[in-house]
Order: sequence, then C-alpha cells, then structure tokens
Amino acid sequence: SQQGEEDPQALSIQEGENATMNCSYKTSINNLQWYRQNSGRGLVHLILIRSNEREKHSGRLRVTLDTSKKSSSLLITASRAADTASYFCATDNAGNNRKLIWGLGTSLAVNP
Amino acid sequence: GAVVSQHPSWVICKSGTSVKIECRSLDFQATTMFWYRQFPKQSLMLMATSNEGSKATYEQGVEKDKFLINHASLTLSTLTVTSAHPEDSSFYICSARTGTGLSNQPQHFGDGTRLSIL
Repeated sequence: SQQGEEDPQALSIQEGENATMNCSYKTSINNLQWYRQNSGRGLVHLILIRSNEREKHSGRLRVTLDTSKKSSSLLITASRAADTASYFCATDNAGNNRKLIWGLGTSLAVNP
Repeated sequence: GAVVSQHPSWVICKSGTSVKIECRSLDFQATTMFWYRQFPKQSLMLMATSNEGSKATYEQGVEKDKFLINHASLTLSTLTVTSAHPEDSSFYICSARTGTGLSNQPQHFGDGTRLSIL
C-alpha cells in the first residue's frame, strides 16, 4: 500500500531554477529514500537519509527530513534539462520486512 | 557497483503465452529481490518479495499461481507470468538490495520489462 504522498504531482521549471519536491509519510521509519525514474526506465537511487539525520547533500541535491512532521523534501539546485524525470520518495519502515513504501511521485519537467 | 540487469526489456506476445522475466545482480549478492508492477504515470506497486532459497512473499491481491517467482541463487530471480492475458500488460521492474538484516541500504533497480499481451 502507498503511504507516501508527494507534492506537487507535477512541476515545470526553467533551466537554472531550483526544484523542490515534498514527501509526507504516516508511520515511523528507519530511513527515507529518494529515487529518480526516466521515462520507460528503471529507478535510480539518489539519496538515503536515516531517521536520525536531518539533512543530507549529494552534488546538486539536498534532502531534508523532519520526523516530527513526518515529511521530507528534495531540492535540486541549478536544474538542467537532463533532470527531467519522475522523482519518488520511499520509506523503509520499522518492522516491515524491509520492503519500501512508495510515494506517488513528482513529475519534473525542466525546460531549456 | 550494484548493477541489476533485467531482461527482456520488451516483450510482445499472444494471449495465453507464459513469459519469463529475469533479474540478475551483476556485482553483488542479493538475498532479497523485489518485483514491482507499474502502470502508466503511476507509482510502483510491490507484487512480491523474492527470498533466495525460499518461497516468495506475495502482496495482498497478487495471484501467486499467476505470477511465479523463483529465486534459485543469490544473483538471479525470475518472474513468470503464466498464461498471460491483455490485462497483464504492464511495466514490470525488479530490484535488489545489498546487505542483510537491518542495514540501511537502498534498492538497486533493473531497467524494467514492458510486457504487451495481444
């Protein structure tokens, strides 16, 4: 079952702008993960943030986690046309046989 | 590292045919692999968790006799869609996780298989 909700569902920006996507979840987690999916392809892992971490960076990506609000955000800075893809959050829940619970995804379009 | 290979990438076949999809971890051992189904513009739907050397754990509503999963080695899991019908047409994706137990490790995905049943 899906427990994650992401907003916005779709986002269209110009190259060079920043893109922010949000994810909310419902239960306690071990970690939260962000993935990217290009059209018709598999998913690529971007960042994993543990429940005791509040912020994590990887290149142009910045992820925050607020466990009190059960929410996370993914910021892509200085976006490029190649960042156009769908972005999904997924939570690894305590005691859930290690399967991930997926959000509905945000479709990002970066216009050149 | 952590490469997962899935094939075939595209299958078109007649109704009633059984189709096998392979998922291989190329440079790591995966005691657990996952099979997902994805409809257009939607999120991933977990079908089953495949455990090496034991029976797969299917999600509620997924017919185990329809979607046969075999995880015979630490690097290979297969999904067989038996007697496929047009409603089985979908994008199927596998993933594998490195590490065991409670380690905080991401899943690594294959490139998916687009199945079209005529």
